[in-house]
Amino acid sequence: EDQVTQSPEALRLQEGESSSLNCSYTVSGLRGLFWYRQDPGKGPEFLFTLYSAGEEKEKERLKATLTKKESFLHITAPKPEDSATYLCAVQGNNDMRFGAGTRLTVKP
Amino acid sequence: ETGVTQTPRHLVMGMTNKKSLKCEQHLGHNAMYWYKQSAKKPLELMFVYNFKEQTENNSVPSRFSPECPNSSHLFLHLHTLQPEDSALYLCASSQDGSYSGNTIYFGEGSWLTVV
Repeated sequence: EDQVTQSPEALRLQEGESSSLNCSYTVSGLRGLFWYRQDPGKGPEFLFTLYSAGEEKEKERLKATLTKKESFLHITAPKPEDSATYLCAVQGNNDMRFGAGTRLTVKP
Repeated sequence: ETGVTQTPRHLVMGMTNKKSLKCEQHLGHNAMYWYKQSAKKPLELMFVYNFKEQTENNSVPSRFSPECPNSSHLFLHLHTLQPEDSALYLCASSQDGSYSGNTIYFGEGSWLTVV
């Protein structure tokens, strides 16, 4: 059965303190791995799609990477406005599974 | 502002009420989805419509009844709900409903409270 596990569950950083969020997965036939950002009370906002191991994508302070077993979302010099819950989702041959998310708080 | 619009944003209903959630997408997509998001749980897929036809029903209780009149509009009709149905209901769309790497785009959600 396809599975997605995100860690840590919550992460508190000081402004400027770089770190990484992890998304481990098992899937039958990877079709795509997706990262979303979700602010409280709002719907998930699409960030990146990665399709194959070795692929990397960047957007401002965020960089997503992918291996055959996991994906990382690297946050470089975060700012308070980066505080949100980050969701990972994996699409396989038969379905799409979401992780429970990592709640990121960036303190000024 | 996203390309997927949901109304109402907030809804409080009694267990004997009948209400509906509405979703409209302006992205030219052919697939639409309903997801349920409860506190500290992963998103749960409820229904998928592909070219107006329901292609997935993830064992959702019959008190939730979806309707998709065309590829741009999706409704979720609610009746005789339970307090445990209180959650954020998310509508989403994608180019098509096949699992071929299409990105799913979400609306802002409808917060439902059942009292």
